[in-house]
Amino acid sequence: GAGVSQSPSNKVTEKGKDVELRCDPISGHTALYWYRQSLGQGLEFLIYFQGNSAPDKSGLPSDRFSAERTGGSVSTLTIQRTQQEDSAVYLCASSSGQDSGEQYFGPGTRLTVT
Amino acid sequence: AQSVTQPDIHITVSEGASLELRCNYSYGATPYLFWYVQSPGQGLQLLLKYFSGDTLVQGIKGFEAEFKRSQSSFNLRKPSVHWSDAAEYFCAVLGSGGGADGLTFGKGTHLIIQP
Repeated sequence: GAGVSQSPSNKVTEKGKDVELRCDPISGHTALYWYRQSLGQGLEFLIYFQGNSAPDKSGLPSDRFSAERTGGSVSTLTIQRTQQEDSAVYLCASSSGQDSGEQYFGPGTRLTVT
Repeated sequence: AQSVTQPDIHITVSEGASLELRCNYSYGATPYLFWYVQSPGQGLQLLLKYFSGDTLVQGIKGFEAEFKRSQSSFNLRKPSVHWSDAAEYFCAVLGSGGGADGLTFGKGTHLIIQP
């Protein structure tokens, strides 16, 4: 079946602009995760959604970052007033929820802030 | 808090030779451990996982890993590597809060295959 999809695959934006990254999890997966991958920091966990429950936002790097999940399915990660240090690959993953460790990753969105 | 260390940033192996990638973890309870592989420009693919039971776990693509609690290690092995195994390999542990803590990854090991 279809895997996790993310859009766009690449995004170049100017410093100070807002960006929205989208994630479509595997159908039926109740858990959804966002990670950031950068050369300096490696892979960092950002935020987790379980169904329609409110997420724990403490892992988000700053208050410029926000995420939401509509209808327990599609999720968007929004970065406001982008900075050059936001340049990274943003990865989304989903799992069935019963086995949270077996996460299936999307191909990522490469964000470049100029 | 949990942590994962992959001591080798790069490893070069000849095609057909055996491979072992090291992973050490720090975690207070019985860990849930994973190995993921990332090919250039791709997302992460799960190779194998350890939750409990048999400490030698088999994965996809001929990989296996052994959980050793006494050494806090979860090393990845393959008896004979193929050129297509060249990629970045990540060891990860699931946080004590389950999914709510996400996966904590090591910095990765870049595997180079020599012909």
